[in-house]
Amino acid sequence: AQSVTQLDSHVSVSEGTPVLLRCNYSSSYSPSLFWYVQHPNKGLQLLLKYTSAATLVKGINGFEAEFKKSETSFHLTKPSAHMSDAAEYFCVGGTGANNLFFGTGTRLTVIP
Amino acid sequence: GAGVSQSPSNKVTEKGKDVELRCDPISGHTALYWYRQSLGQGLEFLIYFQGNSAPDKSGLPSDRFSAERTGGSVSTLTIQRTQQEDSAVYLCASSLLASGANVLTFGAGSRLTVL
Repeated sequence: AQSVTQLDSHVSVSEGTPVLLRCNYSSSYSPSLFWYVQHPNKGLQLLLKYTSAATLVKGINGFEAEFKKSETSFHLTKPSAHMSDAAEYFCVGGTGANNLFFGTGTRLTVIP
Repeated sequence: GAGVSQSPSNKVTEKGKDVELRCDPISGHTALYWYRQSLGQGLEFLIYFQGNSAPDKSGLPSDRFSAERTGGSVSTLTIQRTQQEDSAVYLCASSLLASGANVLTFGAGSRLTVL
């Protein structure tokens, strides 16, 4: 079965400290992997996408993620959290146009 | 359009009533998806349209749910005889490419509350 698992339902960090949101995937073959962010009352917005071109992917707003096949992980990181980063983050995997699997989301809280 | 547009943004209805939710995807996007997001949960796939192909309805939770996409553009999700458990945010997304796992552009969603 193909799936993604977001290991933390809620992460809380202080402003200016690093962010780590964890995602592991399970797939028979290498999927495309995405991170989306959802701010309150908004749709999901793409942060970054991995499609096997490079294992370290840089996204918008200073976020990046590293694909580690040996660990089947695609964790999202940011060196320094900003208040505006507070949101829900979704890890998504896919092997086809209609074969997308969503994680259950991680709520990021940023403490001033 | 510039983005995926959904209407209404909020809908409050009484149990047993029918509702229609509309999605206007990005012009030229051939793929259109509907998802349901319940409070505190991830996204639940409902239905997928791709060009003129028969839609994938495998995610629709019951026969009270239906969707159509007219002219390969605007889509309407209809929920008949609404129940309280239908309360959720219904998200529409569209995608440009017909194959592979592609970037989805999401609308802001339609929040449905069934009293």
